[in-house]
Amino acid sequence: IAGITQAPTSQILAAGRRMTLRCTQDMRHNAMYWYRQDLGLGLRLIHYSNTAGTTGKGEVPDGYSVSRANTDDFPLTLASAVPSQTSVYFCASSDISGRAYNEQFFGPGTRLTVL
Amino acid sequence: DQQVKQNSPSLSVQEGRISILNCDYTNSMFDYFLWYKKYPAEGPTFLISISSIKDKNEDGRFTVFLNKSAKHLSLHIVPSQPGDSAVYFCAAMASNTGKLIFGQGTTLQVKP
Repeated sequence: IAGITQAPTSQILAAGRRMTLRCTQDMRHNAMYWYRQDLGLGLRLIHYSNTAGTTGKGEVPDGYSVSRANTDDFPLTLASAVPSQTSVYFCASSDISGRAYNEQFFGPGTRLTVL
Repeated sequence: DQQVKQNSPSLSVQEGRISILNCDYTNSMFDYFLWYKKYPAEGPTFLISISSIKDKNEDGRFTVFLNKSAKHLSLHIVPSQPGDSAVYFCAAMASNTGKLIFGQGTTLQVKP
């Protein structure tokens, strides 16, 4: 089934450790996004990429980095995890070529706990 | 500074009745609005959208109303079903940015 996969499903991480959350889509969408979901705050955009080779900062980019080496993959890296990064992380993708509006398709999420 | 607000964290309705979920926004540049539905342990899924050139969009049991002067939109579900129980997120976008701004979410419980 076409869609977005995320790995791992969940992770418990010690503060100060490095962690990469993986995201892969097979819909050939040009744009990809990383969000974090926190209770009472909804989903907040961390980083995005409108096409392979380019990335941009969202609302809450500090402490996170991304890369977009190809169309399908968009990993999110926490260089040195802190407890405030405990959250559920969602990857999403959309086709923004030639369209003003773009429905985003979401992956199943990664639940990350930083102790 | 929350540009998209869902002021009701939760809503409980009886099966068969109408569910009304509300959303307010502050940015007048937003010109496209979406509702997403999220079940536990799953990612959000797109439900329905509306462009700022319309004031109503209907898809089966789901209707979204947009009041631009009040910067308010609402999602109506009629009739509500137990399977509609989920978290509903309102989202808005200014087309020149391409980025979605989400509200905090409203948890809907439909009781049998």
